[in-house]
Parts: sequence; structure tokens; C-alpha cells
Amino acid sequence: GAGVSQSPSNKVTEKGKDVELRCDPISGHTALYWYRQSLGQGLEFLIYFQGNSAPDKSGLPSDRFSAERTGGSVSTLTIQRTQQEDSAVYLCASSHERGREFFGPGTRLTVL
Amino acid sequence: EDKVVQSPLSLVVHEGDTVTLNCSYEVTNFRSLLWYKQEKKAPTFLFMLTSSGIEKKSGRLSSILDKKELSSILNITATQTGDSAIYLCAVEQYTNAGKSTFGDGTTLTVKP
Repeated sequence: GAGVSQSPSNKVTEKGKDVELRCDPISGHTALYWYRQSLGQGLEFLIYFQGNSAPDKSGLPSDRFSAERTGGSVSTLTIQRTQQEDSAVYLCASSHERGREFFGPGTRLTVL
Repeated sequence: EDKVVQSPLSLVVHEGDTVTLNCSYEVTNFRSLLWYKQEKKAPTFLFMLTSSGIEKKSGRLSSILDKKELSSILNITATQTGDSAIYLCAVEQYTNAGKSTFGDGTTLTVKP
């Protein structure tokens, strides 16, 4: 499709395991964002990629969180040694440079 | 397919004007509708609406949900330049692992 896609849709994991969440942005969008959302709450900014510039990692909550964007397109958010407080919906959005963001459907992560 | 549609896509007004932003949705197992204001990084939460016909108010901003019409409006009275932002509407569902479906947003520009 033409929109932002994310996979998996749902992920259940055990505490201490590593997880990888994937985001496929809209083709041609140079900016990519990762957010975390708790039910009924606002969005928490995690990381922002813009073209070939160094990413803005200021929102990553701990060094267990990291993200890559390969070839300026697909991005992977990795959470190492997951904790129960990591349970949330992880949203990805993409845009033209600083333009309107288009959000993906999200990945629901549950850490048992 | 779950869908959230916002209108207008963009709007330019002058300080002091009143604006009405629209959000309509087609989703299964509706739980709540949320409005966000996005200026810089993460969108900031404005309102969560679950019950039809009950207006939520915060200063010059107010919002109401019409479950019969599957829509919501966000009103801003006496607009100020600081209201310039993208206003996002999102719908939470009981299914879909509690994830939200986002609209594409309305870009509001308030000129002095």
C-alpha cells in the first residue's frame, strides 16, 4: 500500500528478551520518527531520522533502546533485555522533510 | 479497513477567529477518540472522548463526540498565533490490540 507499514502488528515477549520492531515508511519520505504510546495517553518521542543526518536520539528512554535506518528507508527499533515497563504501542511515522507526518498502524508490545 | 479522516487538510485564519476542525471515523469496536496538537516533536495530548454528546473543554479549546455520526469536532475560539500547529485525531479500539488509527491531521496557521 501507499501508507506507512509496521511489523509485527503484535509482539508478546518474555522479560529479558530482545525485540526488533520494523517500520517501512512511505516511499520518498526523508524523515522517519519513532514514538511510544500508552493506552489513552500522549505520544512519547523516541528517535528521529532525517536523510543522511545523524539521528536525534534524545527521546530514547535508556541505552537498551536503539534504532537504525538502512538505506534511508526501512527502520528497525531494537529493545534489548525488555522490561515490563516497555509494554506499549510503538508508532512509526514518516514525512517529507519536516512536513506533515503520516503514522503507521503501530506495533503492540507486551512484555510478560 | 479502519479509517480516520480529518478535514480540512489545512486552514489559514487570523488572530481572533474561531475555527472548527473535523474528524470522522470508520472503525470496529470504537473505544475512544483522541485529539493531539503537534508543534515540534511528539504530539501533545488535548482531549480524550468516549461518550457521545459530552463536551470537553480546556480554555479556548473544546471538543465533542457524536457517535451516531461517527465524528468529532475540535473548536478553537479567539485563536492566537501560538495555536498554529498540526491537529491530529486518533481513534482507539477495543480490538486491534488497543492501538490507535491516526488521521492525517489538519495544519492550522494563525496569522497575526
